[in-house]
Amino acid sequence: GIQVEQSPPDLILQEGANSTLRCNFSDSVNNLQWFHQNPWGQLINLFYIPSGTKQNGRLSATTVATERYSLLYISSSQTTDSGVYFCAARDGGAQKLVFGQGTRLTINP
Amino acid sequence: DAGVIQSPRHEVTEMGQEVTLRCKPISGHDYLFWYRQTMMRGLELLIYFNNNVPIDDSGMPEDRFSAKMPNASFSTLKIQPSEPRDSAVYFCASSAATYGYTFGSGTRLTVV
Repeated sequence: GIQVEQSPPDLILQEGANSTLRCNFSDSVNNLQWFHQNPWGQLINLFYIPSGTKQNGRLSATTVATERYSLLYISSSQTTDSGVYFCAARDGGAQKLVFGQGTRLTINP
Repeated sequence: DAGVIQSPRHEVTEMGQEVTLRCKPISGHDYLFWYRQTMMRGLELLIYFNNNVPIDDSGMPEDRFSAKMPNASFSTLKIQPSEPRDSAVYFCASSAATYGYTFGSGTRLTVV
């Protein structure tokens, strides 16, 4: 089955900094999503982005499907951005999402 | 829409007891998924349904686990008997075929 790898595993930044999170996947995908798991454990859907670029406020994401990677950009980080960011992909005709191990982001004031 | 609704939010039970977790998907979504999250194994898919029919239950750990979806607006995940190693956060998610997943808030299960 498809493999999803995220980097870095941990990232510690000061408030106001910018960050880039990476997701690599092993095969062609027909669904790529980014989630934020906040400190209360909720999984929040950030982007559904099988290809191309999308932006939502300070966050943006780019997926280059032909090269099998996706990037999540966070600009002007805030302490509320802290948590774990997951990338998940769905391969071929299957419906199940396979998750990476996540990037734990800590934004210090 | 209120999103995917799970209940209870927290469950503490004694080993050997039956536990039932509940999920109401988003109206109009034809896929429903049950995931489990632990520190050791991350997010794992347990089972998923399409139009109320179980499609893939290969992630269900053992016979103590069972899931049902009697109609399009309700699903249950049952553990009988429960064991301490079942302690985890259980998430339900729903989606329409070509769109992304939406997750519920999860049920934190502790088996003592």
